[in-house]
Amino acid sequence: DTGVSQDPRHKITKRGQNVTFRCDPISEHNRLYWYRQTLGQGPEFLTYFQNEAQLEKSRLLSDRFSAERPKGSFSTLEIQRTEQGDSAMYLCASSESGARTEAFFGQGTRLTVV
Amino acid sequence: RKEVEQDPGPFNVPEGATVAFNCTYSNSASQSFFWYRQDCRKEPKLLMSVYSSGNEDGRFTAQLNRASQYISLLIRDSKLSDSATYLCVVKNQAGTALIFGKGTTLSVSS
Repeated sequence: DTGVSQDPRHKITKRGQNVTFRCDPISEHNRLYWYRQTLGQGPEFLTYFQNEAQLEKSRLLSDRFSAERPKGSFSTLEIQRTEQGDSAMYLCASSESGARTEAFFGQGTRLTVV
Repeated sequence: RKEVEQDPGPFNVPEGATVAFNCTYSNSASQSFFWYRQDCRKEPKLLMSVYSSGNEDGRFTAQLNRASQYISLLIRDSKLSDSATYLCVVKNQAGTALIFGKGTTLSVSS
């Protein structure tokens, strides 16, 4: 499968714990995005990488959230001291450069904070 | 004002109907526009890009009005398989983010 891969698919954690999600983009894609989606809402932009550089961060990305893409390939999203409000689907997408290029999404990681 | 706003749903239509979705965006400097489709509990997938001249792909037609900052999607001859959430998407001027609308849910019934 050469699509965007996310791991794990599901994560249940207790409030206050740290969690880390991984995204493996399509190999030739230099752009990588993280989104959060809750029920009944569209995906909300969190952050963007061009290769290894994090070029854009949403106001939604509080200081408890951090993302990395150390070698310009896979990316990780870490949430520290999770809160119940962090429960959501976390989606990763990747694309080639260009204004009209399609972004391909992974199947997401569903986080439940109890 | 939200960056991307869509018609509130849901739209419930019979098979064969024509249905239109509308979307407005707030940033006049936005450069690229898309419609994505999302099935229940699945990831979003590109349906079509939206060009200034308008574009058609089979039963689907997308239009862009830059002056009004308005995007539309027309679906003709609706099929049961068209039932999904349709997301209006705008790429910001810098090209660093795709901004999604809340989505409009379509339910096509037989």
